[in-house]
Amino acid sequence: RKEVEQDPGPFNVPEGATVAFNCTYSNSASQSFFWYRQDCRKEPKLLMSVYSSGNEDGRFTAQLNRASQYISLLIRDSKLSDSATYLCVVNPSRYSTLTFGKGTMLLVSP
Amino acid sequence: NAGVTQTPKFQVLKTGQSMTLQCAQDMNHEYMSWYRQDPGMGLRLIHYSVGAGITDQGEVPNGYNVSRSTTEDFPLRLLSAAPSQTSVYFCASSRGLAGGPQETQYFGPGTRLLVL
Repeated sequence: RKEVEQDPGPFNVPEGATVAFNCTYSNSASQSFFWYRQDCRKEPKLLMSVYSSGNEDGRFTAQLNRASQYISLLIRDSKLSDSATYLCVVNPSRYSTLTFGKGTMLLVSP
Repeated sequence: NAGVTQTPKFQVLKTGQSMTLQCAQDMNHEYMSWYRQDPGMGLRLIHYSVGAGITDQGEVPNGYNVSRSTTEDFPLRLLSAAPSQTSVYFCASSRGLAGGPQETQYFGPGTRLLVL
């Protein structure tokens, strides 16, 4: 099983739609979790951290399910500007380096 | 703050040539790393450093060297370029390795390298 797995997509949604991505991780001892966003031909940027209790930032909600070893990202009221690739990132242990998933592409159309 | 800067933005090399990709950060971050990103492969860690004078190998270190003589700079050297090294290279920095916000990685804009 790969360390961090994501559906590559693309997810094609109309403006205003709600879309959700999941990401599974293999190491049950993983410490911390993040979602990064990467625009076409640009560098990745942190979108949000994922906390055990779940967290929300505007239209974005991230959740962690340790029992099933997955994290999710929910985007409500999609905007054209949300079109990007969303990278799931996991820290396998306290003193290790981050592991990046391959990303899920989102395309929001008018 | 300029954040993380990388030069050059684009480079074309011939097989066997050597070059250095430059990376600098002005955030006084201890942790710096180099990734390569290839289609369908995601970001893969090449080398990283937890402070000046300390470097370690990542997932795909072969063919690359690094050094960290200052906190600010972390150059990546290709010793003898091969077509398999055609990729987009990102440098990143963060305050630390472990613990919540310290792990937030700030990426440079990338260097697109083509090896013929």
